[in-house]
Amino acid sequence: DAGITQSPRHKVTETGTPVTLRCHQTENHRYMYWYRQDPGHGLRLIHYSYGVKDTDKGEVSDGYSVSRSKTEDFLLTLESATSSQTSVYFCAISYSSGGTDTQYFGPGTRLTVL
Amino acid sequence: DQQVKQNSPSLSVQEGRISILNCDYTNSMFDYFLWYKKYPAEGPTFLISISSIKDKNEDGRFTVFLNKSAKHLSLHIVPSQPGDSAVYFCAASPYGGATNKLIFGTGTLLAVQP
Repeated sequence: DAGITQSPRHKVTETGTPVTLRCHQTENHRYMYWYRQDPGHGLRLIHYSYGVKDTDKGEVSDGYSVSRSKTEDFLLTLESATSSQTSVYFCAISYSSGGTDTQYFGPGTRLTVL
Repeated sequence: DQQVKQNSPSLSVQEGRISILNCDYTNSMFDYFLWYKKYPAEGPTFLISISSIKDKNEDGRFTVFLNKSAKHLSLHIVPSQPGDSAVYFCAASPYGGATNKLIFGTGTLLAVQP
């Protein structure tokens, strides 16, 4: 499982409140990613990080910010949650082994914004 | 604009038979492709990948075929087993690997009937 954990696993919040999701990895991977999964859209990249304090936007970054102050932690923040941000959020790391390059995913966080 | 398309939302197959999942893409810059399997309430798990320099890659019961001229890839599962029942996502990258942005399709739900 590439040592990826996400917290919380489930969260219900109200519109307008700030929310922070945490991704933690134990294997010192350089690249980390945040995706959201929605019916009819598959997985869409929100933000990614290529090192401590180095981040970049994905295809659906509006309304989200990220921070990475340590290699092992990648935080996703919704500054003011909206109902359209109700989704399942997945963190991932990239990994290469034996000539195969892939991304490994965490277990996900189900977020409901009321 | 969906750059990676999985036009079949669902597929039902008998146990022991072949499952064929299809994926089309529009961006000719994509040069690396991956398939993931996802069970409910879990993160996607990597199955198999293929580089654009190849037209076939095989790993056990899973084979991925790439037709660059048609911008089409397919995943063959032989023989299909009930435990293969899951949502399958194809993903593509224009960067030669997975250490950057992946673009995902919308997924195909495979049901393998005992």
